[in-house]
Amino acid sequence: SQTIHQWPATLVQPVGSPLSLECTVEGTSNPNLYWYRQAAGRGLQLLFYSVGIGQISSEVPQNLSASRPQDRQFILSSKKLLLSDSGFYLCAWSRAGELFFGEGSRLTVL
Amino acid sequence: AQKVTQAQTEISVVEKEDVTLDCVYETRDTTYYLFWYKQPPSGELVFLIRRNSFDEQNEISGRYSWNFQKSTSSFNFTITASQVVDSAVYFCALSGGPGGSNYKLTFGKGTLLTVNP
Repeated sequence: SQTIHQWPATLVQPVGSPLSLECTVEGTSNPNLYWYRQAAGRGLQLLFYSVGIGQISSEVPQNLSASRPQDRQFILSSKKLLLSDSGFYLCAWSRAGELFFGEGSRLTVL
Repeated sequence: AQKVTQAQTEISVVEKEDVTLDCVYETRDTTYYLFWYKQPPSGELVFLIRRNSFDEQNEISGRYSWNFQKSTSSFNFTITASQVVDSAVYFCALSGGPGGSNYKLTFGKGTLLTVNP
């Protein structure tokens, strides 16, 4: 069966520090992968999606970047965090019209 | 552009009451999918249902039912005989047709449902 994992689950970082959130999918090949952010107010915003290795599409201009170095690995990064980067980050993969989410990573920037 | 509106920010009911969560969407796509997700306090999003735009048949799954009406661009979700465990934030979402980029979901802002004992 397919599984998706994100880590770390919780992160507290100072402003200006780097960020790396990792997501891996198991049990499937060539998945479409997504990064969403849920800021205060609960809405989910699509940040990046990828249809293959090295293929990244950005939905909104921001302080973040994404990379897909391997088929089932999706990484969200920042060189210098801002206060506004705080939020709940969700990785997801899709199959046959369904989107499956990871457990989420809660980032607090102080 | 796609848009999903969940006008109810918060709903509070007493256990065993029925509750309906509203969802209205906007899209120019002729083929699209509608979804409902549940987000319990743990944070993980749990998939509840997907409905494609060509299937307007209502669906029932246990205490859950969904009413899809293309004429009013609505996809409402009803919980019958609510339970405390139903307390969560519920999201309605919309995507375009199949294909990598078209599985990008546009989410509503969610409805916080609190079921009190």
